[in-house]
Order: sequence, then C-alpha cells, then structure tokens
Amino acid sequence: EVQVVDSGGGLVQPGGSLRLSCAASGFIFSNYWMSWVRQAPGKGLEWVANIKHDGSEKYYVGSVKGRFSISRDNAKNSLYLQMNSLRAEDTAVYYCARSLARRFDYWGQGSLVIVSS
Amino acid sequence: QSVLTQPPSVSAAPGQKVTISCSGSSSNIGNNYVSWYQQLPGTAPKLLIYDNNKRPSGIPDRFSGSKSGTSATLGITGLQTGDEADYYCGTWDSSLSVEMVFGGGTKLTVL
Repeated sequence: EVQVVDSGGGLVQPGGSLRLSCAASGFIFSNYWMSWVRQAPGKGLEWVANIKHDGSEKYYVGSVKGRFSISRDNAKNSLYLQMNSLRAEDTAVYYCARSLARRFDYWGQGSLVIVSS
Repeated sequence: QSVLTQPPSVSAAPGQKVTISCSGSSSNIGNNYVSWYQQLPGTAPKLLIYDNNKRPSGIPDRFSGSKSGTSATLGITGLQTGDEADYYCGTWDSSLSVEMVFGGGTKLTVL
C-alpha cells in the first residue's frame, strides 16, 4: 500500500526555520518526482516545490524561492522541506505528495506550520 | 487570487447532477492536462480525475472530467451526501516558469 507520512510541523517565530519530513513506503521512492503543497487556513491549495526522482532538478513557487529548499534521501525513502526566514504568510498545512506525470496521486496527511510571535 | 478560476460554491440535491468549471489560459489549461482533487472536511486532498478525463482506480464512474480549449469541467452524477467537499482543479503553467497551479476551490453542498 502506498503511504506518505508528513511530520515536523510546529510553531515558529517570524524569521525562524523549520524542517519538514515525509516518509514514503509502498512504492519505489527513487522512481518518482515528489512535491510539497500547502494550504493556508481556510484557503485553497498552493504548490510549493517539487524535486526530480534523483534530486537533480528542483522547482519552487516564486514566493518561497531563496527561502525554502526541497531535498530527498532515496536511501531513506524520505523527502524534506527546509524552510528558512519564515513569514506569517507561510502559516499553512504542508502536504507531501507523490507526483506522477504532473498530477499528485498520493498525499500525506499534512503538517501544520504556524509562524507567529 | 488563483491562476485558475472556479466558482466558489455549487449545490444540488441528492441524486442530481452537478458540474464545476475551471477556467484558465493557453499557458496552463490550454496546453496541459488537467487534474481534479476532492478534499473532504478535515482531510488531505485526493486525486479524482487526471489527464482531463481519466479516473484512478477506485474512483466511481459518477465522477467525470472534460476539457475544451482553456476550460475544464468536473461532473458528478447521482449526488450523495458523502460528496460534500471542496473540489480543486490543477494543471501546470509555463507562463513564467514551470509551476503547478490550482483553482481557488469549489465548495459542493448536497442539499
């Protein structure tokens, strides 16, 4: 059974850092692109970043470029999102999602990140 | 403000049919496949339709998708109370850089 499990959310002050993790199982992790998608409270979905199966290509939405970094460890079947210089507008539930041919076919349960003083 | 435009809400009675529209442009819907996601209250999104009109395994054929030009449509027939959810369309946009974009979401109420 395909599973992706997000973790690492929490409360952080503006300007602070946080690292999200995503543990994947039930599929050959190294064969798939992976993505992060976020959802601010009461708002819609926003794609944040994605990474190629071998980590050689990474793409970000404009609002997080230079502040967030996506990475993966195929040996550990894990995806990460390092978030620096966090702002109040980064407050959201962050979902890890498996990407297949430009669609997200499996999603994690989400990790809540709250940026507040 | 989302790149793709969806109606904020739609409603219909149980057993009826409803359609949800998603409007974009040539840089996104016009030249890329569209996918649709269902988000039940308090849960993660779930893939409902991909490649404009294909259903993943386990999705009932009450759900259908179509695309014409720069617009896409999700159709749901035989509405059930369990279909009450937020529905999002998504596709890739190549106007500035390659990015995935979503519609603002449509809240479906089954009266």
